[in-house]
Amino acid sequence: KAGVTQTPRYLIKTRGQQVTLSCSPISGHRSVSWYQQTPGQGLQFLFEYFSETQRNKGNFPGRFSGRQFSNSRSEMNVSTLELGDSALYLCASSTRDRNTDTQYFGPGTRLTVL
Amino acid sequence: KNQVEQSPQSLIILEGKNCTLQCNYTVSPFSNLRWYKQDTGRGPVSLTIMTFSENTKSNGRYTATLDADTKQSSLHITASQLSDSASYICVVRRGGNFGNEKLTFGTGTRLTIIP
Repeated sequence: KAGVTQTPRYLIKTRGQQVTLSCSPISGHRSVSWYQQTPGQGLQFLFEYFSETQRNKGNFPGRFSGRQFSNSRSEMNVSTLELGDSALYLCASSTRDRNTDTQYFGPGTRLTVL
Repeated sequence: KNQVEQSPQSLIILEGKNCTLQCNYTVSPFSNLRWYKQDTGRGPVSLTIMTFSENTKSNGRYTATLDADTKQSSLHITASQLSDSASYICVVRRGGNFGNEKLTFGTGTRLTIIP
């Protein structure tokens, strides 16, 4: 079974621009969560989508948004980029089964904002 | 405040030696604790998950312990190999409804194995 894929792997943008990141979950997984990872803060939860609906949201400004499509693929958008948005953005998919509680992470998209 | 603190921040050991990584948490109510391994340039991969009633769980050369009374966990790596060089992240899930906003991540321990 193919793992979680994220595109692009690397991205360089300038302040004020916007960016869209894509995540394809493992086949059969309907839950996709997004995280921001920085050296000082570790992983911070952005939001979680299940069956095309945002189920939970972390403490990030409205510039960060996402959506999920009927095939469970998800996109994350960041508008009006700031220098502090430079980070590794990870997505993770799962079956959202309380008994297994296992998330499978993609390799991430490294975003650099200049 | 729900927090997960890991120590040390970084560790360098010789190949073949053992090491122990620490995780202290203040997350409440507690649901489970998971250790992840993250290789450079890759996403985290789950090593073990422990619930309140479990004290020890092993996965090959990795052994995790949990003391729910003191809210401490450790990850012991036996006979380290070069491939163990990675960041190890402790994650604690809060109890309640099942959403990933209930997860609190530690900042990780960067382990380097030298030959």
